[in-house]
Amino acid sequence: DSGVTQTPKHLITATGQRVTLRCSPRSGDLSVYWYQQSLDQGLQFLIQYYNGEERAKGNILERFSAQQFPDLHSELNLSSLELGDSALYFCASSGRQGGEKLFFGSGTQLSVL
Amino acid sequence: AQTVTQSQPEMSVQEAETVTLSCTYDTSESNYYLFWYKQPPSRQMILVIRQEAYKQQNATENRFSVNFQKAAKSFSLKISDSQLGDTAMYFCAFMIGGSNYKLTFGKGTLLTVNP
Repeated sequence: DSGVTQTPKHLITATGQRVTLRCSPRSGDLSVYWYQQSLDQGLQFLIQYYNGEERAKGNILERFSAQQFPDLHSELNLSSLELGDSALYFCASSGRQGGEKLFFGSGTQLSVL
Repeated sequence: AQTVTQSQPEMSVQEAETVTLSCTYDTSESNYYLFWYKQPPSRQMILVIRQEAYKQQNATENRFSVNFQKAAKSFSLKISDSQLGDTAMYFCAFMIGGSNYKLTFGKGTLLTVNP
């Protein structure tokens, strides 16, 4: 158990809909990262938050947004969903000390039908 | 931009034998980290081993060791005494040091350990 909690584990929805994925980092970790894993794109970095502020952006679509709350949990919002958004979405967290060690949650499998 | 290449999409090994997974990377940075992550059928991403670029000594973690060739930009993973539980997708990953700790992943190598 990595200590990073992601909910839900599975999500099935329809095109055009909006969903929210939730992540609780390890206790004490200030950084949260979101990654997307798909068969064609592999593992892609989406976005990082550090103590509530956006720190880095990767290949995140404009239809996607994220935020980190004062209690350090994070949410990834995906809107106007398309079939191609079907993927496994991972959250990871890291701490101030040894920040290069990322701990991953078990992921949310999103299926857009 | 950094790139990570894993040239072996699939590999197989017999239980108890040794296998080496290859990884090459491209960067102009001097301060960076390299990682191997394991993703078993459960889909959990598990850190296997980490190497700091400034360290010449190769990292080892029990049955897992790396061969880090900085000049050649090569970072291979050796698994000794392979076990059935080692069956997984293995990802090589790169991170610039002192930065935002973003990981760049390779495409992965699917390793199957046969009984």
